[in-house]
Amino acid sequence: NAGVMQNPRHLVRRRGQEARLRCSPMKGHSHVYWYRQLPEEGLKFMVYLQKENIIDESGMPKERFSAEFPKEGPSILRIQQVVRGDSAAYFCASSPPDRGPSNYGYTFGSGTRLTVV
Amino acid sequence: TQLLEQSPQFLSIQEGENLTVYCNSSSVFSSLQWYRQEPGEGPVLLVTVVTGGEVKKLKRLTFQFGDARKDSSLHITAAQPGDTGLYLCAGARGSQGNLIFGKGTKLSVKP
Repeated sequence: NAGVMQNPRHLVRRRGQEARLRCSPMKGHSHVYWYRQLPEEGLKFMVYLQKENIIDESGMPKERFSAEFPKEGPSILRIQQVVRGDSAAYFCASSPPDRGPSNYGYTFGSGTRLTVV
Repeated sequence: TQLLEQSPQFLSIQEGENLTVYCNSSSVFSSLQWYRQEPGEGPVLLVTVVTGGEVKKLKRLTFQFGDARKDSSLHITAAQPGDTGLYLCAGARGSQGNLIFGKGTKLSVKP
């Protein structure tokens, strides 16, 4: 029973390039959450998606960042025209539709470490 | 302003010692969760506490949720090197999907 799968594990991009981070939730989980973790900082919520719907994007920067969770395939977090400040670890988490994270918590992936040079 | 304050930020102890880490807030949460994160990996859920005053035990780990549901503590008895890691607390508000995380306590247990 595979857990939450994120790829790539490490991604290096030059300033101005695009970064695409992928997340496949656990089997049976239809809710996906993206968090960003900066060094010495806690995890910061970015976006919460269900299949084909963005439920809450209150933590997502207004520009350059977008997320999707299509009917088929993984969830994608896309960062356009990356800048050095985007360097961070990006974690995806998932939960099943009938067991919300407030009572049952998240299952996290191993993260994608983005380095912008 | 950090909504969830964790203390201490760093803790280095010898194997066999006991320790307590704290998670405090001025806000009320519907639940609090504790995660452990190892370098290069994602956080792993340890426990969720939901009821004010609740105490949960997981082998050598004891978790407590404050009566007012604003704070929590994690106590480890007879720490082992395998307990080394970053301990994160996270608060949930109602039925919202997102959690609010503290910055964590970095624990190092030396053999």
